[in-house]
Amino acid sequence: GNSVTQMEGPVTLSEEAFLTINCTYTATGYPSLFWYVQYPGEGLQLLLKATKADDKGSNKGFEATYRKETTSFHLEKGSVQVSDSAVYFCALKSGGSYIPTFGRGTSLIVHP
Amino acid sequence: DTGVSQNPRHKITKRGQNVTFRCDPISEHNRLYWYRQTLGQGPEFLTYFQNEAQLEKSRLLSDRFSAERPKGSFSTLEIQRTEQGDSAMYLCASSFGGLDNEQFFGPGTRLTVL
Repeated sequence: GNSVTQMEGPVTLSEEAFLTINCTYTATGYPSLFWYVQYPGEGLQLLLKATKADDKGSNKGFEATYRKETTSFHLEKGSVQVSDSAVYFCALKSGGSYIPTFGRGTSLIVHP
Repeated sequence: DTGVSQNPRHKITKRGQNVTFRCDPISEHNRLYWYRQTLGQGPEFLTYFQNEAQLEKSRLLSDRFSAERPKGSFSTLEIQRTEQGDSAMYLCASSFGGLDNEQFFGPGTRLTVL
């Protein structure tokens, strides 16, 4: 079956530091990969996605590259801000399903 | 349209009581999803509607859970004879179009069963 493994949090950084949140997956077929973000008190929002190998998704300074050879989709940002503090979820969809499989989430805390 | 809305935002109930949650999706979104999220976990799929048809149900959805989307617009999720293990955040999402189109999530209903 499908599964997503994310690095455990919380990840605590100072403002302007470089961010990496690791995500690896197991899936049947050729999945599409997603990162969602959940700010405190709000619903999940799609941050970025990639639908085939070597695609790079990007949004709001965040990037992630679909690496089929390592079954990974790590999230990166060059310079984090306090406003990036949130929980980040890696997810995948495969096999023609509309239903994503989510990872456990990684909490990011950015200090001024 | 202001997005997916869910009501109530919080519900506290005693074990054994029935509860019902409502989800209003974004207008014209034909697909609607229910998820459950517990602390430190990602959302877990419960059930999914395309228009008014319930197309898929998770094994997590015991016979105490029932969901409806009678006119293909809003949806309700009912839990009968609640148990303490039902305490969680219940999330609703909606989407339209192709497989890789975005799901838009509501803020969730937090259920506490005492």
